[in-house]
Amino acid sequence: GNSVTQMEGPVTLSEEAFLTINCTYTATGYPSLFWYVQYPGEGLQLLLKATKADDKGSNKGFEATYRKETTSFHLEKGSVQVSDSAVYFCALSDGGSQGNLIFGKGTKLSVKP
Amino acid sequence: EAGVAQSPRYKIIEKRQSVAFWCNPISGHATLYWYQQILGQGPKLLIQFQNNGVVDDSQLPKDRFSAERLKGVDSTLKIQPAKLEDSAVYLCASSPRLAGGGYNEQFFGPGTRLTVL
Repeated sequence: GNSVTQMEGPVTLSEEAFLTINCTYTATGYPSLFWYVQYPGEGLQLLLKATKADDKGSNKGFEATYRKETTSFHLEKGSVQVSDSAVYFCALSDGGSQGNLIFGKGTKLSVKP
Repeated sequence: EAGVAQSPRYKIIEKRQSVAFWCNPISGHATLYWYQQILGQGPKLLIQFQNNGVVDDSQLPKDRFSAERLKGVDSTLKIQPAKLEDSAVYLCASSPRLAGGGYNEQFFGPGTRLTVL
């Protein structure tokens, strides 16, 4: 079945460091891919998305490229800020009859000043 | 535009008690989802509604969990009786696209944190 695997956390970085959170997926067909972010005490928010191979999603300085050949959707940011501290979830939607989201386990990011 | 509303935000109950959660989706959204998020894990879908009909409840523990979406707008999720392992955050989400429409962006509420003692 469909699944998402994220790198284990927590990840602790200093402000202005480069961030990569790895995400790989297993799916039949051509899923859409998402990164959601969950700030402390809040619900999940869509951070970025990509709906087909080679698409690059971007938002708030974060980027991720849909790589079909490596079944990956790694999240990157060139210079993290303290305000980026949150839990990041990679997810896929197979776009089938239900179009349900399948989430990874999440990666907690802490950014120190 | 108002977001997805959920209540209560927090609930503490004893095991074997009953509890209900309420969700009001974004106006006009046809599809509504309930997820269970256990600490340290990603959200897991419990049930999906399209308007007032159930699309997918394959992962809903039907011996103790029930959900309804009367009139195709707001929804309630009930647990009766609760077990210790039901301690989790229950998230409601809604989507403007009908299931089967491919790409499916979901908008999440703040969640209800349930603690079962």
